[in-house]
Amino acid sequence: QKEVEQNSGPLSVPEGAIASLNCTYSDRGSQSFFWYRQYSGKSPELIMSIYSNGDKEDGRFTAQLNKASQYVSLLIRDSQPSDSATYLCAVYGQNFVFGPGTRLSVLP
Amino acid sequence: EAGVTQFPSHSVIEKGQTVTLRCDPISGHDNLYWYRRVMGKEIKFLLHFVKESKQDESGMPNNRFLAERTGGTYSTLKVQPAELEDSGVYFCASSQDWERIRNSPLHFGNGTRLTVT
Repeated sequence: QKEVEQNSGPLSVPEGAIASLNCTYSDRGSQSFFWYRQYSGKSPELIMSIYSNGDKEDGRFTAQLNKASQYVSLLIRDSQPSDSATYLCAVYGQNFVFGPGTRLSVLP
Repeated sequence: EAGVTQFPSHSVIEKGQTVTLRCDPISGHDNLYWYRRVMGKEIKFLLHFVKESKQDESGMPNNRFLAERTGGTYSTLKVQPAELEDSGVYFCASSQDWERIRNSPLHFGNGTRLTVT
């Protein structure tokens, strides 16, 4: 079992829709959870961090964490074409571990 | 604030040659990480420095890889001799606070794309 798994892409949504990205992790002792966005040929950039169960909202982005289910998600409301990128879930337990990423395409 | 910088941005070398990658973290960041992404795979951890000390090098694939962080500032990653499977993008990342590491997100450099032919 991989340490961090993400829903396989690519994920295509129309402009203005909600994009839902999912991530599960295997290390129950994980403490911190991060979502990064990576445009093609660029470095990952931090979008959201979440440390406790529940929802955390920042603009059009909402991160959700459920430690009992070992599940973290990212919702993007009012998706824009500029949101098209690969989204990486990262989990910190003993170290930072990254998922394989989900490629999101927002269609105009 | 200057970001994490990596040099070179691209490197093409032949199998058996040596390559040295450099990373300058954000000034004042204790933690420096090296990661690698090979084609189609996830970003994989290589090693972690806290200041000048290697905190965790469990991800280093073999003894052809040598990382240093002189004086706790910039870091180098040397591959000697390079093999075909070493091709990929090597990312460096830094974060600020060792004591509160779980709350210190990673800031990534733009990566070095290494191609071994």
